[in-house]
Amino acid sequence: QVQLQESGPGLVKPSETLSLTCTVSGGSISPHYWSWIRQPAGKGLEWIGRIHASGTTKFNSSLESRVTMSVDTSKNQFSLKLHSVTAADTAVYFCAKVFGAGYLYFDYWGQGTLVTVSS
Amino acid sequence: EIVMTQSPATLSVSPGERATLSCRASQHINSNLAWYQQRPGRAPRLLIYGASTRATGIPARFSGSESGTEFTLTITSLQSEDFAVYYCQQYNNWVTFGGGTKVEI
Repeated sequence: QVQLQESGPGLVKPSETLSLTCTVSGGSISPHYWSWIRQPAGKGLEWIGRIHASGTTKFNSSLESRVTMSVDTSKNQFSLKLHSVTAADTAVYFCAKVFGAGYLYFDYWGQGTLVTVSS
Repeated sequence: EIVMTQSPATLSVSPGERATLSCRASQHINSNLAWYQQRPGRAPRLLIYGASTRATGIPARFSGSESGTEFTLTITSLQSEDFAVYYCQQYNNWVTFGGGTKVEI
C-alpha cells in the first residue's frame, strides 16, 4: 500500500518561496508520475503540476511561471517550490500519485499540509 | 482549458435515498473523467475513473455514467459515511476539477 506524507513549513512570508516535500513509502517512486494539488480553505481543488521519476515535468499554465518540481529517487521523495507567494497561495497542499502515463488521475493521496502565507 | 461544471452545488438527501450528481465538460473528453469523495479534513479519495469504472475497494452503490459531455455519479442507498463533497476531474487535456457537490443530510 503506497503512502505519501507531505512536509515543510506551515508559514511562509509574502514574496518568499514555498517549499514542500512528499515522502513516498510502501512502494518505489520509480517509474511513476506524481502530482501536487492544492485546496484553499472551503474551496475546490487546483492541480499544480506533475513530475515523473525521471524528472520530466508539466505544470498548470496558471502557475507555471512560479513553480518548480524536483525528484530524489534515492530518498523516494519529490518536491514542490512555489516562488513569489502571496496570500492567494494559502491552501492545503496535497501530494498524490498519478495512476499512470496518459491517465492523469490520482489513486493515492497524502493527508495534506496547510501552508499559510502571511507576514 | 477544459472547464468542468458540477451541479447542484449542494444536494440534500436522507440516508437510504439515491443521490444523483452531475458534471458537465466544456468540450468532449473521451471518457477521461474521474470522481473523488472528500470528507471533512481528509484527502480526496478516488471513486471512479474512465467515467464508469469503480476504483479498488469502492462499494457497488457508487456508479458513474456518461452521455456526451455530461457525466453522472449515482450513489444508491446513501450511507452515513457518504455525506461528503464530491469532485469530478477531467484528464483528457491535463487536469481540471469541477467545483464540487456537497451531499448533505
